Amino acid sequence: AQSVAQPEDQVNVAEGNPLTVKCTYSVSGNPYLFWYVQYPNRGLQFLLKYITGDNLVKGSYGFEAEFNKSQTSFHLKKPSALVSDSALYFCAVRGYGATNKLIFGTGTLLAVQP
Amino acid sequence: EAGVVQSPRYKIIEKKQPVAFWCNPISGHNTLYWYRQNLGQGPELLIRYENEEAVDDSQLPKDRFSAERLKGVDSTLKIQPAELGDSAVYLCASSLAGGRTSYEQYFGPGTRLTVT
Repeated sequence: AQSVAQPEDQVNVAEGNPLTVKCTYSVSGNPYLFWYVQYPNRGLQFLLKYITGDNLVKGSYGFEAEFNKSQTSFHLKKPSALVSDSALYFCAVRGYGATNKLIFGTGTLLAVQP
Repeated sequence: EAGVVQSPRYKIIEKKQPVAFWCNPISGHNTLYWYRQNLGQGPELLIRYENEEAVDDSQLPKDRFSAERLKGVDSTLKIQPAELGDSAVYLCASSLAGGRTSYEQYFGPGTRLTVT
């Protein structure tokens, strides 16, 4: 069965510092991996995806994620955090060949302090 | 381009009452999804439509939940009767069918349901 784990409920980082939000996955075959961000009282916004190709994926708002097949991880990163990055981040996975059904993690709250 | 539209944004009802949520997907998106997001959790798929056809409704509690997507555009999700445990945010999403771009799902703002 497909699953996603986000081991940190909350990540705290100072503005200007690099940030990492962790995600590990379990899926049969090659995974399709996604990151979404959710701001208060708003729906999820797509940030980036990994389907195939380069392991480093660049997305919206300066975010990037690194696919690591051996560690089954897809960590979200940003070189320099902004206060406006503070939000809830969700990692999601879809199995290759599976229906277009995303399995979401439980989310990680990113808090960027000024 | 207009995003996914949902209404109402908030709904408070008493248990045992019916409630309905409406979703208008992004124009041209053939695939429509309804998710439920409980507090502190990620969204969980309730039902997925390809055009008018419900192709995955395995997670929909069919004793009280129903959904329709007439004409393959707008969709309505209904709960009758509502229970206290149904309190959650109900999210609608849409995507193109087929090809790589179909993998990106675009979400609406959601309807926050409170059952008292």
